[in-house]
Amino acid sequence: EVQVVESGGTLVQPGGSLRLSCAASGFTVSRNYMGWVRQAPGKGLEWVSVIYSGGTTYHADSVKGRFTISRDNSKNTLYLHMNSLRAEDTAVYYCAKILGGYATYAFDYWGQGTLVTVSS
Amino acid sequence: DIQLTQSPSFLSASVGDRVTITCRASQGINNYLAWYQQIPGKAPKLLIYAASTLQSGVPSRFSGSGSGTEFTLTISSLQPEDFATFYCQQLNSYPWTFGQGTKVEIK
Repeated sequence: EVQVVESGGTLVQPGGSLRLSCAASGFTVSRNYMGWVRQAPGKGLEWVSVIYSGGTTYHADSVKGRFTISRDNSKNTLYLHMNSLRAEDTAVYYCAKILGGYATYAFDYWGQGTLVTVSS
Repeated sequence: DIQLTQSPSFLSASVGDRVTITCRASQGINNYLAWYQQIPGKAPKLLIYAASTLQSGVPSRFSGSGSGTEFTLTISSLQPEDFATFYCQQLNSYPWTFGQGTKVEIK
């Protein structure tokens, strides 16, 4: 069964750093495109980052230079490294597998989300 | 950036109703359009991808159509478990973007 489980969300002060993890089972992270999507409290969905099977990454402008997506193939785990956190980064962060390969069609398997709160 | 505008943002409907939600893109997206359903407190669930392909396991009352810049999600007969917020998403070009959401509530 395909499953992704996020962890690492917590309360962090503005300017702080955090690493989110996404443990996958039932498929191989390194052979798939993977991404992060976030949702601020009471708001809609916002795409954050994507990593291709070949290692190419893309980030939303709102997090570029502050967030980095990566993976550990030996642990079959995806990460989101978050630096210089701001209040507006407060959100539930979802990890998701991407359907497709060269053509990216959708996020087909989502985790339950992990809450990041940036506040002093 | 490609903007996606959903209409309506809110709709009130009854069980058994036929419901249609529209998603308009600010430029062509080559049918790289997905639809998701989100129940409060839960992760989004993929319903439709490539504008009209039903995701495995999704009931056939859900369908997607459209091309170019205008797309629709139709629920042929609304069921109690369908009351949720629905989002469209384009994956044609970066940054990937979502519509603002359409909340479907019980009349």
